[in-house]
Amino acid sequence: GAGVSQTPSNKVTEKGKYVELRCDPISGHTALYWYRQSLGQGPEFLIYFQGTGAADDSGLPNDRFFAVRPEGSVSTLKIQRTERGDSAVYLCASSRRTGGLYGYTFGSGTRLTVV
Amino acid sequence: DAKTTQPNSMESNEEEPVHLPCNHSTISGTDYIHWYRQLPSQGPEYVIHGLTSNVNNRMASLAIAEDRKSSTLILHRATLRDAAVYYCILRDDVSPSGGSNYKLTFGKGTLLTVNP
Repeated sequence: GAGVSQTPSNKVTEKGKYVELRCDPISGHTALYWYRQSLGQGPEFLIYFQGTGAADDSGLPNDRFFAVRPEGSVSTLKIQRTERGDSAVYLCASSRRTGGLYGYTFGSGTRLTVV
Repeated sequence: DAKTTQPNSMESNEEEPVHLPCNHSTISGTDYIHWYRQLPSQGPEYVIHGLTSNVNNRMASLAIAEDRKSSTLILHRATLRDAAVYYCILRDDVSPSGGSNYKLTFGKGTLLTVNP
C-alpha cells in the first residue's frame, strides 16, 4: 500500500487479557519500528526490526511485551496480561534503509485502552 | 542523542509565516537536525532535516544558526492543516556503538495552533 497500515485503529481490552497489534509496512521497506505514545508525550522507542530479526528490543518495558516479523514484512506486537498502564497509542514506522538520513513513515497508530 | 528545547506551544494566523524555534546547545558535530510533525490522530510525519546549511523543501524551510546551537523551522504560509505538534530531533548517523543509528528520540514538541 501507499503508507504504513496499522490494525485495529482502536482496541479496548480488559485488564489481564492478551492483545495483538498489527503493522503492515510500506512494501520494500526492510526496517520496521514500534513506538508507544502516552497522552501528552512524544513517542518512545520500543523495538526495531531489520528484516525478520529484532535488532534492538531495548525499549520493550518488560517481558509481557513481544513482537515478531516472521517474513520480514508484517509485524505483530503482542502484549500479555495487559495492565491499565499499557493504555497508549502504539505507532509503527518503516523505512527503506536503517539509520542515515532516511525519513521514517509512521502509521496512524493503534489506540489501546485497558479497562 | 543530544537534548533539544522547544516552546510548549505557539499560535499563528492563517496565511502568515510561522517560525518554530529549537535550542540544542549540546549538539555534536555529527548530529543532524530533524523535524517531524504530528497532526491530530496521526502518526508523526517527516518534515525536513539538515546538518549545517539552511534547507528548503516543499513543506518548509530549516534555518540553522552558524554555531548550530539553535535552529528554526519556517512555515512560509500557515494553513489550518499545519496545526500539529512539531518535534525537533537531533540524530547522529552513527550510534554510540558504531552501528547505524535508527532511533528517533522525541521530546514533547511544540503544539502549533493556527487561527483562521
